[in-house]
Amino acid sequence: DAGITQSPRHKVTETGTPVTLRCHQTENHRYMYWYRQDPGHGLRLIHYSYGVKDTDKGEVSDGYSVSRSKTEDFLLTLESATSSQTSVYFCAIRTDGSGNTIYFGEGSWLTVV
Amino acid sequence: DQQVKQNSPSLSVQEGRISILNCDYTNSMFDYFLWYKKYPAEGPTFLISISSIKDKNEDGRFTVFLNKSAKHLSLHIVPSQPGDSAVYFCAATRHSNAGNMLTFGGGTRLMVKP
Repeated sequence: DAGITQSPRHKVTETGTPVTLRCHQTENHRYMYWYRQDPGHGLRLIHYSYGVKDTDKGEVSDGYSVSRSKTEDFLLTLESATSSQTSVYFCAIRTDGSGNTIYFGEGSWLTVV
Repeated sequence: DQQVKQNSPSLSVQEGRISILNCDYTNSMFDYFLWYKKYPAEGPTFLISISSIKDKNEDGRFTVFLNKSAKHLSLHIVPSQPGDSAVYFCAATRHSNAGNMLTFGGGTRLMVKP
């Protein structure tokens, strides 16, 4: 258990609405990541954070924004949800001393109709 | 352009036999490789890793082999058990990458039949 909580776990939303997914960690780790998983594509990095207010884009960042105002929370926002953003979203952290290994949360299932 | 590829979307193996999952990469800058296992409705869990300074790393029933010249790695599971049925993702990164972003393959679904 990497101490990661994602919310909501499941959400159905309409096209064009904004959606925010929350990732909460309990152990003050510096690095946090948002990935999405789609069939045939594996897991693709959306955005990551290396500290409070320090974020950077990943491979598939278009249509997404993130914020990290506190060490423990990393928020992913879909500014105007589209059907192509229907996916499973995973938050991950890198623990101090884990080297290159990252640990994932349980996932948030998002359906855009 | 996928830098990490798992060309077999699925693999079926009999319980007790060896499972071999393969992964190829194209970026020669990658120097650290990981395997993750994922059950339905759960997050991926870390399984085993290997640095490019090694060609083999073993942990119980799991062994990862790295062939740098071929840019190929494989995960061997011996003996395979029904509980090993899951999707397996390989991932790669550059150790010097401060953000430690992992690049993942598309996954291989392993089914171990009793």
